[in-house]
Amino acid sequence: NAGVTQTPKFQVLKTGQSMTLQCAQDMNHEYMSWYRQDPGMGLRLIHYSVGAGITDQGEVPNGYNVSRSTTEDFPLRLLSAAPSQTSVYFCASSYYSNQPQHFGDGTRLSIL
Amino acid sequence: GENVEQHPSTLSVQEGDSAVIKCTYSDSASNYFPWYKQELGKGPQLIIDIRSNVGEKKDQRIAVTLNKTAKHFSLHITETQPEDSAVYFCAASGYLRGGYQKVTFGIGTKLQVIP
Repeated sequence: NAGVTQTPKFQVLKTGQSMTLQCAQDMNHEYMSWYRQDPGMGLRLIHYSVGAGITDQGEVPNGYNVSRSTTEDFPLRLLSAAPSQTSVYFCASSYYSNQPQHFGDGTRLSIL
Repeated sequence: GENVEQHPSTLSVQEGDSAVIKCTYSDSASNYFPWYKQELGKGPQLIIDIRSNVGEKKDQRIAVTLNKTAKHFSLHITETQPEDSAVYFCAASGYLRGGYQKVTFGIGTKLQVIP
């Protein structure tokens, strides 16, 4: 049972580039979410999904896009990378509402 | 929206001693309070949670207490061991538009257990 799998683990981008952070879970959880973790700020919710085909914005959605075509996958897209998006990104899933139970090990993203 | 404050930001204890981490929250409607442990290079791991109809919950060496009147909750780790060294996050649930719940995290406490 793999849980929540995030790829890549590390990525360096140049300002203006786009990329997709992948997230997959094998627990058949309906609820999935993306967080970013910055020093001194805890984890902040970017986007979340309550099921396939249903997504909505969290606290800090600007510059990010998501889609949920299957229960298993919830990719996060950076449309035009900016240095302010340098962070560690975590994907989470849960069975009960938006109360994250399982986190992936993160993607460490640096934008130059 | 919900605001969660967590103290202390760092905590050092001798192995075998107890550690206590405290959090306060602002939204009286919050009803779910999880705690996460994050080891270096890993994602947060849910270690214990409590709901507003319960005042205390224990799981082996870990316990969480909740005071809804005062809007604060605490994590207690007894008989600490070196493997307890990590960053601990508290969180409180709140509601987004559309009625969906989300958790708001504290900024974390770095716990160091000294052998």
